[in-house]
Amino acid sequence: QVQLQESGPGLVKPSGTLSLTCAVSGGSISSSNWWSWVRQPPGKGLEWIGEIYHSGSTNYNPSLKSRVTISVDKSKNQFSLKLSSVTAADTAVYYCARATVQGVIRWFDPWGQGTLVTVSS
Amino acid sequence: SYELTQPPSVSVSPGQTARITCSGDALPKQYAYWYQQKPGQAPVLVIYKDSERPSGIPERFSGSSSGTTVTLTISGVQAEDEADYYCQSADSSGTYPHVVFGGGTKLTVL
Repeated sequence: QVQLQESGPGLVKPSGTLSLTCAVSGGSISSSNWWSWVRQPPGKGLEWIGEIYHSGSTNYNPSLKSRVTISVDKSKNQFSLKLSSVTAADTAVYYCARATVQGVIRWFDPWGQGTLVTVSS
Repeated sequence: SYELTQPPSVSVSPGQTARITCSGDALPKQYAYWYQQKPGQAPVLVIYKDSERPSGIPERFSGSSSGTTVTLTISGVQAEDEADYYCQSADSSGTYPHVVFGGGTKLTVL
């Protein structure tokens, strides 16, 4: 079955850029699914960041759109997240997930194990 | 902005039935999805399209919808069901993806 694994620095300085990669195994990133990023600040709820299709098409949460870039590398079967101009409010566990899409709705299954990114000097 | 409202906490004794609600104005028009999240773990999809159960999810998990409220029901609650539960849906307006999560409900098994 499909498995996802996040990787990237666990500490980012304020005003810097957060960069994470999600490796997909057990299936092709070129399937008819979208690939998403979701984050969860410590002790808080879930927030959708955005998604990408293997063609390169993207959708972003309007509240983060100006700072987010999601890209795909089909040769490596992985996709990536970049979040610029980070502040302490961006400290969170970042999850990647496979999204099944129907119209405006999407649901997420499976998820990666998540990686904690702390924004601090 | 669109919101999904869940009770912060629900408590039940083992073997009893737990019901977790999620309210939102667009729920009559959009399906809801439920995730279980145990401490230190990633969310797991337990219900999709209001009442469908993914393979591998125990039959004691079920979902229902009525008007602006959807309900996750766990029958015969077990200690291992203690977790946070999140509902998820979308605003019915427009065509741009709009992913909304509820604030989460902590299920405590007494």
